[in-house]
Amino acid sequence: DTGVSQNPRHKITKRGQNVTFRCDPISEHNRLYWYRQTLGQGPEFLTYFQNEAQLEKSRLLSDRFSAERPKGSFSTLEIQRTEQGDSAMYLCASSLGGPNQPQHFGDGTRLSIL
Amino acid sequence: AQKVTQAQTEISVVEKEDVTLDCVYETRDTTYYLFWYKQPPSGELVFLIRRNSFDEQNEISGRYSWNFQKSTSSFNFTITASQVVDSAVYFCALSEEDFGNEKLTFGTGTRLTIIP
Repeated sequence: DTGVSQNPRHKITKRGQNVTFRCDPISEHNRLYWYRQTLGQGPEFLTYFQNEAQLEKSRLLSDRFSAERPKGSFSTLEIQRTEQGDSAMYLCASSLGGPNQPQHFGDGTRLSIL
Repeated sequence: AQKVTQAQTEISVVEKEDVTLDCVYETRDTTYYLFWYKQPPSGELVFLIRRNSFDEQNEISGRYSWNFQKSTSSFNFTITASQVVDSAVYFCALSEEDFGNEKLTFGTGTRLTIIP
């Protein structure tokens, strides 16, 4: 039973560039969540999917951010025209669904903007 | 709006001491779920426990125990006979009974350091 997998582990890019992260959830999980974590803070919710449908987006998710889960399996999170403030750890989680189910997290992708 | 407060930013104890991590939450829902997660230096958040709002029984799992008190909106976590491997950042989190809104709201975490 493999856990949630995220790629890449680290991404360094120049301001203004586009970046894309990938998340592969636990195979039997239909819910997939994205969070952002900055230094010294807890994770903050960005968005989540039930299968391929994106059900909720946080106000933190500006127009430069887009997430997809095209076939209800893996998901991608893209940030366009990156800014210094986008530097953070981006965490993906998956669950069986419902607010009572624990979410299981991947190792995260650390984004650094030069 | 839901909110989780972990007032203890950092705690250091000597190995084998007991330590309690505090968590206070706010929610308007009568049905909600509370979670604790551990984030070791490697970075991955590890699920520890879930508690339903309608179940106030305390729980013990090995050296870990959790004290849930609705009257004070608290869900505290105690590690007995701490070990160096317990060093990590611990997060308390809350989700409300809303099947259209399944986000977890996290506290800011407590960094626990166990001194050998």
